[in-house]
Amino acid sequence: ETGVTQSPTHLIKTRGQQVTLRCSSQSGHNTVSWYQQALGQGPQFIFQYYREEENGRGNFPPRFSGLQFPNYSSELNVNALELDDSALYLCASSLGDEGEQYFGPGTRLTVT
Amino acid sequence: KNQVEQSPQSLIILEGKNCTLQCNYTVSPFSNLRWYKQDTGRGPVSLTIMTFSENTKSNGRYTATLDADTKQSSLHITASQLSDSASYICVVSASSFSGGYNKLIFGAGTRLAVHP
Repeated sequence: ETGVTQSPTHLIKTRGQQVTLRCSSQSGHNTVSWYQQALGQGPQFIFQYYREEENGRGNFPPRFSGLQFPNYSSELNVNALELDDSALYLCASSLGDEGEQYFGPGTRLTVT
Repeated sequence: KNQVEQSPQSLIILEGKNCTLQCNYTVSPFSNLRWYKQDTGRGPVSLTIMTFSENTKSNGRYTATLDADTKQSSLHITASQLSDSASYICVVSASSFSGGYNKLIFGAGTRLAVHP
């Protein structure tokens, strides 16, 4: 176990709804990165938060947004859900943006 | 365009046999290369990490190699076990010119199945 936890484990939403996924980072880590992994594909970088500020973003539309809290836990919010948003969402925590990333178990999101 | 390509896409081997997975990348500027193991429906777990100056690194039965000139890496698994059945993902880190975050570029992974 990496010490990174995510909730919920599974989630089913309908198209157009909004969803919030949560991640608790490993103790001592101040950086959280979020990834989207479609079935049979490698993870795609969504964004990274370092000390409560967005520190980099991948090719995802603005309806994907996030937050990092003072305790370095993080949220991923997705608005106006689309069918293609169905995926495993992974978060990874690290000490600094160049530190080794430790992944959580993921949240499986299904959009119907 | 920064890309990481892995081969084969999938592989079936018998328990006890060895295998080698390949990774080719076009990522610049290169920072480091990592191999992860991902069990189905779980988060990836780091196996090895290599910087530009490292040619090989081992972690138990896993040995990774890196040729920075040809931009190729391999992961060799020795004496495979049933628990080695998983996806193996090659990840290359690209440094940001202006500092800040290290962007990770993931390959699609190789699905390894070890049969008794």
